[in-house]
Amino acid sequence: QKEVEQDPGPLSVPEGAIVSLNCTYSNSAFQYFMWYRQYSRKGPELLMYTYSSGNKEDGRFTAQVDKSSKYISLFIRDSQPSDSATYLCAMSAATDSWGKFQFGAGTQVVVTP
Amino acid sequence: SQTIHQWPATLVQPVGSPLSLECTVEGTSNPNLYWYRQAAGRGLQLLFYSVGIGQISSEVPQNLSASRPQDRQFILSSKKLLLSDSGFYLCAWTEGYGGYTFGSGTRLTVV
Repeated sequence: QKEVEQDPGPLSVPEGAIVSLNCTYSNSAFQYFMWYRQYSRKGPELLMYTYSSGNKEDGRFTAQVDKSSKYISLFIRDSQPSDSATYLCAMSAATDSWGKFQFGAGTQVVVTP
Repeated sequence: SQTIHQWPATLVQPVGSPLSLECTVEGTSNPNLYWYRQAAGRGLQLLFYSVGIGQISSEVPQNLSASRPQDRQFILSSKKLLLSDSGFYLCAWTEGYGGYTFGSGTRLTVV
């Protein structure tokens, strides 16, 4: 079983809809959670960074962490065609060697005009 | 501000040929540096990481090696490429738990 599971999609939504993405994990030691966006043939870029449980909002993006369920989510409100990309979750435990993160396989999102 | 440079962007190499990919970081000192590989439709696989000059840790035994000759320079090498080495190679850096900053990647095709 992989430490981090993420549905590969593709997830297709109409413009303006809410995009809901999630990852599950098995390592209860994970405390640092991130979401990255990756456009085709580009390097991933950091979208959201969360420590421990709770919600974090940044513009149209909301990240949620539920450590009791080992489940994290990313919501994109008012989705735009420019949000079409692959979204990767990543996480790390405080005991991991500094800066080593476990990544999900990524979910491909397509926002249709 | 910090920037990361990675080159080349695209590379087509024959089986058995050598490989050298370079990554440099500007605007920071003593960064943690990483090489990842991303196969089509798969997640990111950590290959090597370095917490200082000359300090290299390998995560996956394979046909590749890494070196860090200078504080902000990280090099990925191979003496003889295999078909299975094809993929999208990403360099990244971090100063801690704030997440990675990735380079733009090198798409390697071994033919």
